[in-house]
Amino acid sequence: EAQVTQNPRYLITVTGKKLTVTCSQNMNHEYMSWYRQDPGLGLRQIYYSMNVEVTDKGDVPEGYKVSRKEKRNFPLILESPSPNQTSLYFCASSLRGNYGYTFGSGTRLTVV
Amino acid sequence: AQTVTQSQPEMSVQEAETVTLSCTYDTSESNYYLFWYKQPPSRQMILVIRQEAYKQQNATENRFSVNFQKAAKSFSLKISDSQLGDTAMYFCAFMKHQGGTSYGKLTFGQGTILTVHP
Repeated sequence: EAQVTQNPRYLITVTGKKLTVTCSQNMNHEYMSWYRQDPGLGLRQIYYSMNVEVTDKGDVPEGYKVSRKEKRNFPLILESPSPNQTSLYFCASSLRGNYGYTFGSGTRLTVV
Repeated sequence: AQTVTQSQPEMSVQEAETVTLSCTYDTSESNYYLFWYKQPPSRQMILVIRQEAYKQQNATENRFSVNFQKAAKSFSLKISDSQLGDTAMYFCAFMKHQGGTSYGKLTFGQGTILTVHP
């Protein structure tokens, strides 16, 4: 089944403890992206990638890192999480972005 | 920078009725793409419909259609014969048409919560 897989689905962590949210797609898509969703703000883009080793900042990149070493994987790294990074995170991928993106099931992150 | 505005935080409709969700956007680009995504309580994001700005014809997908007014920078979603399964948050989104880097940038509105009542 064609899909974008994010893990974990839920995560509670403490301030300052490094964490990684994994994202993998099995559709050979070129484009991958990370978003965070907060009430009243919609989805805001964190980082995106156009291909292996090609990434760029979105609208809210502060406090996040990404890497694209393989085409199928695009992990999101929080080196030192803070409570304001508590949010719902989505990974998405697309063969050609203008045809729309396929989203993962989301990761609910709580930083205490 | 592009902005997308959904001015209706919440809407409700009776089953089998028609409802229209509003979206406006601000851009200086002439070529772009517009999307509507649906997020049901399961929180999965689902692509509903897509419109290419250089096409005059409004996109339709079964019970879903759009009213695209390029000059007014308006992109509303009409849902006909509403069903209980249409209950969800709906997001409008914008993407520039320049290929390459621009296809990585998708800008979303704030969302509209739609409730369909039996």
